[in-house]
Amino acid sequence: QKEVEQNSGPLSVPEGAIASLNCTYSDRVSQSFFWYRQYSGKSPELIMSIYSNGDKEDGRFTAQLNKASQYVSLLIRDSQPSDSATYLCAVMDSNYQLIWGAGTKLIIKP
Amino acid sequence: GAVVSQHPSRVICKSGTSVKIECRSLDFQATTMFWYRQFPKQSLMLMATSNEGSKATYEQGVEKDKFLINHASLTLSTLTVTSAHPEDSSFYICSAMRGPQPAYNEQFFGPGTRLTVL
Repeated sequence: QKEVEQNSGPLSVPEGAIASLNCTYSDRVSQSFFWYRQYSGKSPELIMSIYSNGDKEDGRFTAQLNKASQYVSLLIRDSQPSDSATYLCAVMDSNYQLIWGAGTKLIIKP
Repeated sequence: GAVVSQHPSRVICKSGTSVKIECRSLDFQATTMFWYRQFPKQSLMLMATSNEGSKATYEQGVEKDKFLINHASLTLSTLTVTSAHPEDSSFYICSAMRGPQPAYNEQFFGPGTRLTVL
């Protein structure tokens, strides 16, 4: 059974601080990893994709991947109240389907 | 870039009627499109995967005769909910993927269609 695990939260972070979101996955052969943001009542929005070990930065977002530890994370720098949402970790399986984590609810406090 | 549209955004219908939802990739060609359903406060549930020109592959427990999927072109897929009943009321979301290779296999989601069956 392929699984993606996330802490459901809520994770509360002060405005301007770094938010750190974590995800582990069970399928060792996975090659493609994604972070989505979903606001209540809306569809998911792709934030980051990552395919290689190490860090990938895009603006205030940094994704980190460690395939040996089967671990992927998302850092949000200078957190803003508008970053408050549920963050979904997704791992692509061999059928090109996404295996989803349950999501971490992030709350940025002004 | 990578914009996916869905139409309609909201539909209310009577029990027994059929509803068609369109999903379009506006600025890229999608070899594969996916249809999801999401109930309040629950995770996304994959319903089916469709490739252009091929029959859709349905997930276990999803009735293919009830949820008809057509992927007629590289930019358009449709989901028809036939003989809708109140239990079909949900948030239906499509996503589109350019290709299976890394860097092309990002799934971009449409804004979703909220279906209410009375």
